[in-house]
Amino acid sequence: EDKVVQSPLSLVVHEGDTVTLNCSYEVTNFRSLLWYKQEKKAPTFLFMLTSSGIEKKSGRLSSILDKKELFSILNITATQTGDSAVYLCAVDTHNTDKLIFGTGTRLQVFP
Amino acid sequence: GAVVSQHPSWVICKSGTSVKIECRSLDFQATTMFWYRQFPKQSLMLMATSNEGSKATYEQGVEKDKFLINHASLTLSTLTVTSAHPEDSSFYICSAPIWTSGKKINTGELFFGEGSRLTVL
Repeated sequence: EDKVVQSPLSLVVHEGDTVTLNCSYEVTNFRSLLWYKQEKKAPTFLFMLTSSGIEKKSGRLSSILDKKELFSILNITATQTGDSAVYLCAVDTHNTDKLIFGTGTRLQVFP
Repeated sequence: GAVVSQHPSWVICKSGTSVKIECRSLDFQATTMFWYRQFPKQSLMLMATSNEGSKATYEQGVEKDKFLINHASLTLSTLTVTSAHPEDSSFYICSAPIWTSGKKINTGELFFGEGSRLTVL
């Protein structure tokens, strides 16, 4: 059975801290791994990763994929209160179009 | 860019009634839509895949007769929660694969609707 697991489940930090969110997966016919940020409603797209070792970066956020060890990390540097959200990792396979979502990591950033 | 419109955003209903949630693709044709359910502080759980012109594909453990899905056109998919009960209270969200220039992009990235929060009293 395809599985995506995220850790930690929740994280509480102060503004300015750096955080690392983890996502590991076990799926057949892996195609891509995606990170989403969910605040109150719909998830918003952050990154899509298909190749190992190539860092994707957007401002203070960055992510990298390791297809050998089957995991990805999402880094957020100099966190701000606006980073508070649930971060979802999802994996796409060649089998279907549907995404398999992980459990999510709830990040809370306090001033 | 392409957008998925979902409504209602909020719905409160009495136990035993049915509730319909609509999901429309704007500016593109969605032959496939995915319906997810999310309980508080939990992740998105795929309920079913809606296919235009054919029957929906339900995930294991999801009651087909309880959650009726209809995808009658290339731009509209509906989820009807029949005879709703308090345990059906949840956040329901639809999504569609990304399209650009009239073609589906097989990257796994999805357009999400805004979601519908259902509260059954």
